[in-house]
Parts: sequence; structure tokens; C-alpha cells
Amino acid sequence: DTEVTQTPKHLVMGMTNKKSLKCEQHMGHRAMYWYKQKAKKPPELMFVYSYEKLSINESVPSRFSPECPNSSLLNLHLHALQPEDSALYLCASRRGVTTTGELFFGEGSRLTVL
Amino acid sequence: AQTVTQSQPEMSVQEAETVTLSCTYDTSENNYYLFWYKQPPSRQMILVIRQEAYKQQNATENRFSVNFQKAAKSFSLKISDSQLGDTAMYFCAFMKPGSGNTPLVFGKGTRLSVIA
Repeated sequence: DTEVTQTPKHLVMGMTNKKSLKCEQHMGHRAMYWYKQKAKKPPELMFVYSYEKLSINESVPSRFSPECPNSSLLNLHLHALQPEDSALYLCASRRGVTTTGELFFGEGSRLTVL
Repeated sequence: AQTVTQSQPEMSVQEAETVTLSCTYDTSENNYYLFWYKQPPSRQMILVIRQEAYKQQNATENRFSVNFQKAAKSFSLKISDSQLGDTAMYFCAFMKPGSGNTPLVFGKGTRLSVIA
């Protein structure tokens, strides 16, 4: 199993809603990432979890709240978002220490904030 | 800090022809990884090819190969026998080795269109 699975694939929410994005991998990877990607732009790093602990927060607004309940699961809780938060949210994972260094990406969750 | 530059925002190529995508990077590190990722309209980022900086031999994966020039800090991707399915956004990326939380630094991407 070399997959990173993200749900939902599409999400539309109002600015007062609370929703969550979910990411799952069963490759035994101990580093998991959230990226935000706007159209025709490269992904921008939001958060990194290493061994289930938050290790990097790239100054992301508190309306985005990550959670890593276990080594296979990563959530991104969304609350009081703004229309400019509409984007593709990509999850990725990587082995904790590796000689190859590649990230495995999910298909992304397309978020639209009305 | 590391930077990655892709100077070709868009490119096109005829089916079955060969195309080369450029990438340069800036780093003071001696050991690192370089990647090319492909993102088709279906949006999943897929690893195309990777190169370890300590390896002098250029990486190849079927129709995809790289020209890695460490001294020049250049890492171009050559796609041979282009296929319609190669139409995608291609991102060059850099990573320092180490623990799993090392961020991946992306270039701005090159949009490749393969024309029938």
C-alpha cells in the first residue's frame, strides 16, 4: 500500500461552518504534512508532524487547526474560514529517516469557502 | 535558505517528440535530494524522478531522465517520446536530507502541454 488517502475530495463551506479534512496512510511513515495549493502555484507548506508531534507550523492562522491522533491519521480542522482560504489542500507523508527523501502525496481536498 | 527556479512557465511539445524542462537551484549544502513531481489536471502530485546529490550518475526512469550538473546547480528533466498523458504541471523540488520533517522546496512549476 503506497497510498495517501484524503477525504473529502471536495468540500464547500460557509464562513461560519466547522469542517474537517482527513488524511490517512498505512505505509508506516512517521512524518506527515499539510500543504495549501492555489491554482497554477506550487504547494505551500502549512504544517509538519513528526512522530505524531507538531514540528513545523508555517505561521498558519488559527482558523486552521491540525491534529495527528495516531501515526496513520492526520486531520485538519477548519473553522471561520475566509473566501481566500479556498484552495486545494494536499496531504503528504514520508518515512521519518530515509535515504530517498521523497514525499508521497494524496489527491487533495478541494475546498471552496463561500 | 534554498531556492528553486523554473524559468519556463509554459511549454508545449508534439506527441512522440522530446522536451526538456529546466530547473536551477541555490544551496550551500553538499548533500541533498532533487525531485521532479508531476501534477496532472487530476491534481495528485506524482513523483517522476529523484536524484541524490552524491550520485554522479544521472537518474533515469523509462522515458524520463535528468541532466544533473552539481557545480552549475542545474537539474533539467528530459521527456522522450512524449505522450498525451504527460500533459501536466511539473514541479522541480529540493530537500535536505535528515529527519522527516525537512520541508520540500518547490519551484513555481512548468505547465507542459503535449499536442497530438
